[in-house]
Amino acid sequence: GENVEQHPSTLSVQEGDSAVIKCTYSDSASNYFPWYKQELGKRPQLIIDIRSNVGEKKDQRIAVTLNKTAKHFSLHITETQPEDSAVYFCAASIGGSARQLTFGSGTQLTVLP
Amino acid sequence: ETGVTQSPTHLIKTRGQQVTLRCSSQSGHNTVSWYQQALGQGPQFIFQYYREEENGRGNFPPRFSGLQFPNYSSELNVNALELDDSALYLCASSLTLAGGYEQYFGPGTRLTVT
Repeated sequence: GENVEQHPSTLSVQEGDSAVIKCTYSDSASNYFPWYKQELGKRPQLIIDIRSNVGEKKDQRIAVTLNKTAKHFSLHITETQPEDSAVYFCAASIGGSARQLTFGSGTQLTVLP
Repeated sequence: ETGVTQSPTHLIKTRGQQVTLRCSSQSGHNTVSWYQQALGQGPQFIFQYYREEENGRGNFPPRFSGLQFPNYSSELNVNALELDDSALYLCASSLTLAGGYEQYFGPGTRLTVT
């Protein structure tokens, strides 16, 4: 089955700096890659996603890039703010009838004021 | 916030007991997936229901079972609870299988098995 590896496990940045989180996946059939933000005690929230027919997607301060050949994708957050502090999870989904998401192990992002 | 709701919020059970968790999907969504999230880990896929039928299952034993109702709400049942079943149980709803890929999570049920 699919395996998703995520790093780093923890990341601290100064407010205003950029943060980058990277994930690799194993199954070349995966075609959907969402990113979720989970604050302590809350539900995972979908913040951005990308499909395999696109190389990059941007939404304000957040962007995701996908390299299908290398089977890795990354989350980029620019101009970080303290409210960006949370655990971020990447996930991958293989196309087909059951769109099960395989998640990475998460990155604890801390934005220092 | 999504329109996905779950009940109860918290639950404490004893090893060997049975538990039922409930999920109401977002309006218009007919697919529900269940995930188990152990402390400090990413969610793990348990199974998915589409139009009242199981439509995919992760690496979980048969004592994990589910139902989906005509209004697309869903239940997760766990029999013979084990200590390792202690986790946050999340349901996620999505649009038709052939349509949207996005899955939106509910707030979860925190299950503690003692």
